[in-house]
Amino acid sequence: EVQLVESGGGLIQPGGSLRLSCAASGFPFEDYGMAWVRQVPGKGLEWVSSINYNSGRTGYVDSVKGRFTISRDNAKNSLYLQMNSLRAEDTALYYCARAAVAAGYDFWGQGTLLTVSS
Amino acid sequence: DFQMTQSPSTLSASVGDRVTITCRASQNVVTSVNWYLQRPGKAPHLLIHSASTLQSGVPSRFSGSGSGTDFTLTIRSLQPEDFATYYCQQSHTSLRTTFGGGTKVEIK
Repeated sequence: EVQLVESGGGLIQPGGSLRLSCAASGFPFEDYGMAWVRQVPGKGLEWVSSINYNSGRTGYVDSVKGRFTISRDNAKNSLYLQMNSLRAEDTALYYCARAAVAAGYDFWGQGTLLTVSS
Repeated sequence: DFQMTQSPSTLSASVGDRVTITCRASQNVVTSVNWYLQRPGKAPHLLIHSASTLQSGVPSRFSGSGSGTDFTLTIRSLQPEDFATYYCQQSHTSLRTTFGGGTKVEIK
């Protein structure tokens, strides 16, 4: 059974840093691209960042470029999102998602909530 | 950047109704559009990928169509579990994707 479990969210002050983690199981993690998608409670989905299967390529939404870094450790079946210079507008539920072989994101975690507030 | 404009933002319907949601891309995305369903408090769930291919396990009452810039998600006969929010997504640009704003399907 494919499972994605996010962790690392919490309350942090503006300007602070935090690293989100996503533990993957039930599939060959090293064969799949992965992504982070966020959602402000009650609002829509926003893609944040993606990474290909071997970390050779990454992508970011403009609003987090230079502040967030996506990475993965295939030996540990884990995906990460290092977030620096956090802003109030980064407050959201952050989902980890698996990029399907064909297209789209076919498995999602349940999310970890980040609140940026003083 | 590719923008995805979904309409309507809210839709009221009854069980058994045929429902259509549209999504317009700001540029040609060929058939690189995916559709998701999200129930309250749950993660999104992939329904359709590549504009018209039903994801494994998704009921056949869901269908997708379109190419280029205009796409449609149709639910043939709305079921109680289908009252949720639906999102389109373009995946034409590698490692850089965009979601539509969402369509909430409510009970009339």
